[in-house]
Amino acid sequence: DAKTTQPPSMDCAEGRAANLPCNHSTISGNEYVYWYRQIHSQGPQYIIHGLKNNETNEMASLIITEDRKSSTLILPHATLRDTAVYYCIVREGNTGNQFYFGTGTSLTVIP
Amino acid sequence: GAVVSQHPSRVICKSGTSVKIECRSLDFQATTMFWYRQFPKKSLMLMATSNEGSKATYEQGVEKDKFLINHASLTLSTLTVTSAHPEDSSFYICSARDVLAGMGNEQFFGPGTRLTVL
Repeated sequence: DAKTTQPPSMDCAEGRAANLPCNHSTISGNEYVYWYRQIHSQGPQYIIHGLKNNETNEMASLIITEDRKSSTLILPHATLRDTAVYYCIVREGNTGNQFYFGTGTSLTVIP
Repeated sequence: GAVVSQHPSRVICKSGTSVKIECRSLDFQATTMFWYRQFPKKSLMLMATSNEGSKATYEQGVEKDKFLINHASLTLSTLTVTSAHPEDSSFYICSARDVLAGMGNEQFFGPGTRLTVL
């Protein structure tokens, strides 16, 4: 079962930062937070993942609270191509375990 | 990043026939692959975990005799939908885990296969 909760939808103005929250209050110590996104009728695309420290890559930043019970994905300058469903997933990182997807957040970037 | 392909991308079949979907890791080896299905406007639902050289592990409620999975090599897993019915129409997506990837590695997803059963 998915262990995360996300708002069902969000809007963001083009060029602004998109901040997508995720609640994972039952996360255990060896579980990572992963973010994927899915553009309509395509396979999910990996964005970023982290354990406890904040992470940044060329796509996004991941901010994980100190108690690790929630996190925020930040797209610094949203474009129209960032319109997608964003999934936050919690999983044990080193075991190759399955991903259980929650309902995700449908982000719409508005011109 | 690593590339996972699926074939076919779209398939339309008659009710009662069987359909095979292939999932390939193109530039890495995958001891484990996963199969998901996704209904319109819904999230991905894990169907089964496919392990190279052994039997697949199915999620609760997924019929293993209807959804046959074969993971014959480190780069190929197949999902066969047997005796397909209209309710099997869905978007089927596979993912693969790079066997050489380290801790916290990400999975790589295929582009999906749209199955329509008439």
